[in-house]
Amino acid sequence: QSALTQPASVSGSPGQSITISCTGTSSDVGGYKYVSWYQQYPGKVPKFIIYDVSNRPSGVSNRFSGSKSGNTASLTISGLQAEDEADYYCSSYTTTGTVVFGGGTKLTVL
Amino acid sequence: QLQLQESGPGLVKPSETLSLTCTVSGGSISSSPYYWGWIRQSPGKGLEWIGSIYYSGSTYYNPSLKSRVTISVDTSKNQFSLRLRSVTAADTAVYYCARHNRLGSRADPFDPWGQGTLVTVSS
Repeated sequence: QSALTQPASVSGSPGQSITISCTGTSSDVGGYKYVSWYQQYPGKVPKFIIYDVSNRPSGVSNRFSGSKSGNTASLTISGLQAEDEADYYCSSYTTTGTVVFGGGTKLTVL
Repeated sequence: QLQLQESGPGLVKPSETLSLTCTVSGGSISSSPYYWGWIRQSPGKGLEWIGSIYYSGSTYYNPSLKSRVTISVDTSKNQFSLRLRSVTAADTAVYYCARHNRLGSRADPFDPWGQGTLVTVSS
């Protein structure tokens, strides 16, 4: 299975909104509503911030939102803050019962 | 509060077998039908799912690693383990153990995670 495709980096200024894309195939992202997003700070453990495409676990800011269209999922962060600077990874369940991650996106807050 | 802790050698020689154990505390592996998994992250790289195991022992592996990986569970010790055979430098990574978040679903994201352990493959 191939890793999901994410942009290597995105950037935005405080207060702006940014969107990170995650492109897969009909065998993963497009096949189920089981896309998750993780946030990882340098040297830290990943933390999931979105599950089932668009659901936020308790405690995660509503500035984070997820969506999906066809084989591409997206994470949008609105009202960008300095603390949002981190690496972001998407993941998806696949039609063969496995899990696949994206390559990761480094978010820089200018 | 559920906690996971990886343990095992930090240095493995090329062609040998990498063996790691994840000890679960604050909950029993055998009492709840969760999936448990291993994920790795090479230095400066992204996350890679290695495989997951159901509390009953059913396993699911990354196709690209399947021929070299075995994940097992020892409910008496409240542990699950990873064995990766014939390692090369490309297997150098931080290895994490984690639990899939919701009961009975390996489609769920991983939460919680262990702190991770760096394994270096070098002679």
